[in-house]
Amino acid sequence: EAQVTQNPRYLITVTGKKLTVTCSQNMNHEYMSWYRQDPGLGLRQIYYSMNVEVTDKGDVPEGYKVSRKEKRNFPLILESPSPNQTSLYFCASSILAGGPDNEQFFGPGTRLTVL
Amino acid sequence: GENVEQHPSTLSVQEGDSAVIKCTYSDSASNYFPWYKQELGKGPQLIIDIRSNVGEKKDQRIAVTLNKTAKHFSLHITETQPEDSAVYFCAASIEAAGNKLTFGGGTRVLVKP
Repeated sequence: EAQVTQNPRYLITVTGKKLTVTCSQNMNHEYMSWYRQDPGLGLRQIYYSMNVEVTDKGDVPEGYKVSRKEKRNFPLILESPSPNQTSLYFCASSILAGGPDNEQFFGPGTRLTVL
Repeated sequence: GENVEQHPSTLSVQEGDSAVIKCTYSDSASNYFPWYKQELGKGPQLIIDIRSNVGEKKDQRIAVTLNKTAKHFSLHITETQPEDSAVYFCAASIEAAGNKLTFGGGTRVLVKP
């Protein structure tokens, strides 16, 4: 089944404890992206990747890191989480960036709580 | 940068009635406008999209209209059914500038049987 998977789905952690949220897609998509969803603010892009080894900042990159060493994986790293990073996180992928093949497919989400 | 505003934030309709969600955008260069539906506990899923060279697009009970001059676009759901209850997001992007979507704040739609 073609899909985007995220792990973990739920995570409660404490301030300052490094964590990684994994994202994997099995559709051979070139483009991958991370969003955070907060009430009333919709989804805001954190980082995106046009292809392997190519990443760039979105609208709210502060406090996050990403890497794209393989086409299928795009982990989100919080080196020192803070309570304002409590949110619902989504990974998404698309065949290409731009053009008719730019439909983004979203993962099921990761609900993160930072105490 | 782009700013997308979405109204209303919540919408309650009777089953069988129509629902309309409106969005405005700020960047006249935006040329791709997707709508996503998010069901409880799931990620957003694309339900319909429109590009700036088209004024209206329909897919069964849903339709989207675009007014480039006024910089607003709308989602219309006719003959609403309980399974239409969800959160809907509009978004805007510039296709030639990559795949960056700017989302509206979302509309929670409740269809009452």
